[in-house]
Amino acid sequence: GQSLEQPSEVTAVEGAIVQINCTYQTSGFYGLSWYQQHDGGAPTFLSYNGLDGLEETGRFSSFLSRSDSYGYLLLQELQMKDSASYFCAPPHSGSARQLTFGSGTQLTVLP
Amino acid sequence: DTEVTQTPKHLVMGMTNKKSLKCEQHMGHRAMYWYKQKAKKPPELMFVYSYEKLSINESVPSRFSPECPNSSLLNLHLHALQPEDSALYLCASSQWTGGEPQHFGDGTRLSIL
Repeated sequence: GQSLEQPSEVTAVEGAIVQINCTYQTSGFYGLSWYQQHDGGAPTFLSYNGLDGLEETGRFSSFLSRSDSYGYLLLQELQMKDSASYFCAPPHSGSARQLTFGSGTQLTVLP
Repeated sequence: DTEVTQTPKHLVMGMTNKKSLKCEQHMGHRAMYWYKQKAKKPPELMFVYSYEKLSINESVPSRFSPECPNSSLLNLHLHALQPEDSALYLCASSQWTGGEPQHFGDGTRLSIL
């Protein structure tokens, strides 16, 4: 079967660093994306790893280890506006049967 | 401003009504998607069009019917929906299937009475 597991909730304070993990079991896996979604909004793309290693985009970084079936999103210098849901997602194969998003992590940033 | 436009933003309909959701993108993307999202849950993929060829999630009831009139437009026709179909319906596109990122529209919030 396919699964993309994430912690359901993470809480941190402004200015802190937080890591959101994603572990997966899916066939034909070749990359991992991360999306952010605020309440009432649409998912927006944050980062993509097509190869193992770290990708850095401003305050956000993402890491992938295909041999370990594991990835994470690292958020630095947390701000209140970072409070949102975060989803990991593999690239799409074109089949609607494919699992497309992880279970999601609700991040709450406290003042 | 979103590059994927969905209309309407909100829709309330009865269980016997027929309505359509519309999605448009002008980025030249050849993959387009319909998702359903319930509160506090991840988006669930319903349909994929890749180069205007349809892939169906067999768990989606036949009361949902997609249509792709051309590479820029995507419709979702709704008929005889049930209260449990109330959700946020998201359209997305990507350059091709497997291409990242997916660009999402703001969604249509659908309520079934």
